[in-house]
Amino acid sequence: AQTVTQSQPEMSVQEAETVTLSCTYDTSESDYYLFWYKQPPSRQMILVIRQEAYKQQNATENRFSVNFQKAAKSFSLKISDSQLGDAAMYFCAYRSRNLGGSEKLVFGKGTKLTVNP
Amino acid sequence: GAVVSQHPSWVICKSGTSVKIECRSLDFQATTMFWYRQFPKQSLMLMATSNEGSKATYEQGVEKDKFLINHASLTLSTLTVTSAHPEDSSFYICSASSGLVNEQFFGPGTRLTVL
Repeated sequence: AQTVTQSQPEMSVQEAETVTLSCTYDTSESDYYLFWYKQPPSRQMILVIRQEAYKQQNATENRFSVNFQKAAKSFSLKISDSQLGDAAMYFCAYRSRNLGGSEKLVFGKGTKLTVNP
Repeated sequence: GAVVSQHPSWVICKSGTSVKIECRSLDFQATTMFWYRQFPKQSLMLMATSNEGSKATYEQGVEKDKFLINHASLTLSTLTVTSAHPEDSSFYICSASSGLVNEQFFGPGTRLTVL
């Protein structure tokens, strides 16, 4: 079974600075997706960024980028120019991409990000 | 973007009663819907996966007779918490997938409080 580990229960960053959230995962599959979701105080889950395992290029979405290290099974999220609105819980998630594989997401325990003004 | 709604957004009920939570995909057909439970300051725990027109697949440890899931149409899935008890109080979140894009779209969640 796949597992996702987020080793940082809490992180803080100064506004306008850069912060990196860590995520490692364990799987025997070769093809899969990795996601970072944001859950603000409203508790609405918001997709931040997605990475397909077969793509070597790291995904980027504006101020958000990932460092995907497939061999190390590492998938960290970098938030640049942090804004107060980035304060939230961040969840790393894994999904199988194999034919016949489950669509279900496996979530890490989350990292609470605080942005200080 | 794809929108998923949940109703109600919060509900308070007495112990022993049943509560139904609806999850609707508003602008796409959801072939698969997922139900999650989230305790305060914890991650999302998948309860079950439902495909339209077939029985839900429950995760290990989730009581299928207590958490009844129906996915009768491509836009609606319901979760019924039967004979609710205070320990069932939690935040319930649904998500939906069309199978066409590799993304689940999440509803805003339902806060259930059982007195």
